[in-house]
Amino acid sequence: EVQLVQSGPEVKKPGESLRISCQSSGYNYIKYWIAWVRQMPGKGLEWVGVIYPGDGDTRYGPAFQGQVTMSADKSRDTAFLQWSSLTASDTAMYYCARADGSGFSFQFDSWGQGTLVAVSS
Amino acid sequence: DIQMTQSPSAVSASVGDRVTITCRASQGISNYLVWFQQQPGKVPKRLVYAASSLQGGVPSRFSASRSGTEFTLTINSLQPEDVATYYCLQHDTFPWTFGQGTRVEI
Repeated sequence: EVQLVQSGPEVKKPGESLRISCQSSGYNYIKYWIAWVRQMPGKGLEWVGVIYPGDGDTRYGPAFQGQVTMSADKSRDTAFLQWSSLTASDTAMYYCARADGSGFSFQFDSWGQGTLVAVSS
Repeated sequence: DIQMTQSPSAVSASVGDRVTITCRASQGISNYLVWFQQQPGKVPKRLVYAASSLQGGVPSRFSASRSGTEFTLTINSLQPEDVATYYCLQHDTFPWTFGQGTRVEI
């Protein structure tokens, strides 16, 4: 069974750094992309970006380029999303999902449970 | 970047009604479109991939189609459990983009 398990909720202060994780199981980790999706409170879904764990290739959404960093650890089948300096506008639920770079069948077919990030002074 | 214009933003219908949601792409995206359902407080769930292929386990009252750059999700005979927000996503070209969402109420 394909599973993506995300790290727990975070409460941070502005200016702090943060790294959240998404651990995959049940499939060949390096064959698929991992996508990150942001959902701000009461708002819609936004595509943060994707990473291909096989070679570390990353693509970012324009609003997120330079604001976050995606990475992946092949030895732990785990993807990460990190911030070097959080702001209140980073407060949101963040989801990871399996993605299929050029295909259809496995595109966003499995999702993590979400990680709630709250940034407040 | 490819823009996905989703309409309507919200719809209120009765149990048993047919509901139609549309996403229009700003340029051709072939069949690189996914539809998601997000029930209140839940994780998004894939309903349709490749523009018109229904995810296994999704009720047959859901259907989807494509006409050029216009994509349609139809719920035939709306049920109470269909109350949710529905999103489209294009994955033809980076950056991938979501539609703004359609809230379906009863």
